[in-house]
Amino acid sequence: KQEVTQIPAALSVPEGENLVLNCSFTDSAIYNLQWFRQDPGKGLTSLLLIQSSQREQTSGRLNASLDKSSGRSTLYIAASQPGDSATYLCAVRREKSSGDKLTFGTGTRLAVRP
Amino acid sequence: ETGVTQTPRHLVMGMTNKKSLKCEQHLGHNAMYWYKQSAKKPLELMFVYNFKEQTENNSVPSRFSPECPNSSHLFLHLHTLQPEDSALYLCASSRGTSGSADTQYFGPGTRLTVL
Repeated sequence: KQEVTQIPAALSVPEGENLVLNCSFTDSAIYNLQWFRQDPGKGLTSLLLIQSSQREQTSGRLNASLDKSSGRSTLYIAASQPGDSATYLCAVRREKSSGDKLTFGTGTRLAVRP
Repeated sequence: ETGVTQTPRHLVMGMTNKKSLKCEQHLGHNAMYWYKQSAKKPLELMFVYNFKEQTENNSVPSRFSPECPNSSHLFLHLHTLQPEDSALYLCASSRGTSGSADTQYFGPGTRLTVL
């Protein structure tokens, strides 16, 4: 059974700092991995999706990497801003033939202090 | 605004009540999902519908009953719930072509409290 772990569970940093969020998964037979952002009381917003054949994806100040063989992904946030404060979730999708099931981690709650 | 709406946003119900959660997507997608998000636990997939057919039931108790009348609407009918069912219930949709790299788009969720 796939298990997804995110470390740290919570993080508080001053504005402007670069930071790394970690995600690990136990079964490397994944189709893709996705990073989401969740604001309090709201749904999830997709940030980046990395296919299993890719090593990284970038969007603005965000960069996500994937090492499928070691079961790890990182989300790098450059020059953090207070507006980045949210919970960040990673999720892995099973292999293509198994449909659309996503397995989520418990998230990292990020607070960026002004 | 994500294009996926959920009503109600908040719901308080007793254990003997019957209520329904509604989800609607305006994205032209063919797959819809129900997730449960409990405090300090990962999101748990409950049900998946593809082209109105249920393709996944993740061992969900029968007190939760999904209904998908068309590709744009998804309901979750609730009856005789337990206090441990209190959680944020999230709906999502995606294009629905099996095995594709499509992203799931989430609604804002319904915060359910069972007394």
